[in-house]
Amino acid sequence: EAQVTQNPRYLITVTGKKLTVTCSQNMNHEYMSWYRQDPGLGLRQIYYSMNVEVTDKGDVPEGYKVSRKEKRNFPLILESPSPNQTSLYFCASSSLGRTGSTDTQYFGPGTRLTVL
Amino acid sequence: DAKTTQPPSMDCAEGRAANLPCNHSTISGNEYVYWYRQIHSQGPQYIIHGLKNNETNEMASLIITEDRKSSTLILPHATLRDTAVYYCIVRVVYSTLTFGKGTMLLVSP
Repeated sequence: EAQVTQNPRYLITVTGKKLTVTCSQNMNHEYMSWYRQDPGLGLRQIYYSMNVEVTDKGDVPEGYKVSRKEKRNFPLILESPSPNQTSLYFCASSSLGRTGSTDTQYFGPGTRLTVL
Repeated sequence: DAKTTQPPSMDCAEGRAANLPCNHSTISGNEYVYWYRQIHSQGPQYIIHGLKNNETNEMASLIITEDRKSSTLILPHATLRDTAVYYCIVRVVYSTLTFGKGTMLLVSP
């Protein structure tokens, strides 16, 4: 089954304790992206990656890092989490220009992060 | 600046057609109209997209006006499971997906 998986689904942590949220897709997609969703602010893009070793900032990258060492994985790293990073996070992936493909973005189930 | 304008909320009776409007008066010639929906706190789900012709798939129909300045997403027989926030997004293919506030559709029995 084609899917995007995220782990963990729920996480409560404390300020300053480094954490990683993993994202994996099984569709051989080139493009992957991270969003955060906050009440009243909607979905905002944090980082995206067009392919392995190619990443770029989205609209709200401050306080986050990403890496794309393998095509299927795109982890989101919070080196020193703060309470303002409490949010619902979504990973997404899509293909990029392969013949016959579309650019439909497939989203993961979300990770609800609370930073105390 | 918002590229699309949608009503904040709409109601629909179960079994009836839900018609969700979207205005995109500044759309460019190479920009498509995309629709996604998000059921409470789940990941957004792609519904349909189009350039200028009307489109239909197993989930919905998309009607785009001839001047492309507005469009309507039609769910032909809404069910309770269609209750969600619906996002109309205008974008060039393979560009960043930017979500606005969307329309909260409430389907009632």
